[in-house]
Order: sequence, then C-alpha cells, then structure tokens
Amino acid sequence: DPKIIQKPKYLVAVTGSEKILICEQYLGHNAMYWYRQSAKKPLEFMFSYSYQKLMDNQTASSRFQPQSSKKNHLDLQITALKPDDSATYFCASSQDRRNTEVFFGKGTRLTVV
Amino acid sequence: GQQVQQSPSSLVLQEGENAELQCNFSSTATQLQWFYQSPGGSLVSLLSNPSGTKHTGRLTSTTVTKERRSSLHISSSQTTDSGTYLCAIDYNQGKLIFGQGTKLSIKP
Repeated sequence: DPKIIQKPKYLVAVTGSEKILICEQYLGHNAMYWYRQSAKKPLEFMFSYSYQKLMDNQTASSRFQPQSSKKNHLDLQITALKPDDSATYFCASSQDRRNTEVFFGKGTRLTVV
Repeated sequence: GQQVQQSPSSLVLQEGENAELQCNFSSTATQLQWFYQSPGGSLVSLLSNPSGTKHTGRLTSTTVTKERRSSLHISSSQTTDSGTYLCAIDYNQGKLIFGQGTKLSIKP
C-alpha cells in the first residue's frame, strides 16, 4: 500500500504547455521534497519544504513552482514546458528535513514533445 | 563540490554469489541511505546508515565515516536483486546527493 502517492504515473505534454504533478504523503512527515531524474543523470534535488514552507530551491528556472495546499501535499507546477524537462519527477518525504530517512514515491514520468 | 562516487558502475554475478557495492563521499555525511531502483524506475529505501554497521535480511551496510566510505553487501544474491543500487548522502543540508549507481545483474 503506497504511502507516497504521485499522480499521474505517466504524462505526455506539448512544448509550451503547463502541467501539474501531484504528490500526497500519508506517513505523517513534516518535510517533503521534489527530485528529478533525467536520462543517464543521477537523481538531483529540486526543492524541499518543511511544515509547508519552502526551505531550499535548487532549480535555476522559475518555470518550476511547488505548491503546498496541505501539510501532506506538495504539487509541482511546470509552465512553458520544454523537451529538456522530460524526466521522471520523484516526490519524497521525511520526518524532519535533516538527517532522517527519506522515502520516495513511484515517480511521474514526463515526456515533452 | 560535494560528490558521491559509486563503484563498480556495473556488476554481473551468478545467482547465489555475494555482491559488494561501494560508495565514497567527499566530506562528512550526516545521513547516508542506500536505495534500490527497480528496472521500472521505482525507488525503495534499503538502509539508512550514516555510521557503523546495519543489517536487514540479506543486506549489510558498513559506513566508516572518518574514511568517507560505505559498502553494501548482498549475500546469496537472487535474480530478483537485479536493478540499480544508489547511494545518497546528506551533508547536513537537508537534501540528498545521489551517486550514479551500481547496476547489478544476477544471472540464473
């Protein structure tokens, strides 16, 4: 029974469009994250939130906007999509932001055509 | 910059053999996790081991913090162990830095 739910599992988008990736966690964790895995690259950190506040942003582009409507939700809005945005986006959570075990969702595979 | 180096990049074994995976990191780690990534892409946390030795099932992780290295030992490998093993480090910044992974293939 997955405790971190990501929707959708697969997503195909047209260049220039906007999409929202959904993430909900049912682990009671206080910290949530987004990571990205592009082809042949290591997983890379994008954002961290703690108690619904943005703590760290490692994305160079403002086209990526996390949105936290509830403590256990962290969606990712991506605007003006580009083919280079094609990747698997993983949502993750941990009890606290530092030095605690991090758990990952199954990912949303985004393809921009 | 802060890096995570894993070796070997790939490993092919016969079922029943033991696997030894290595992770080296560039400065003091406050958190270290080993993950399994299935061929389908899902990430599963195997062990959280910033220091010392931890066991779970057929897995043993040993982290020597002063030497900035960690190992993951898989005993009596099975075909279902095939996949990519990732080492990830938090350098007390509240984010994980991942290595490139070790792709493990277990032949029947």
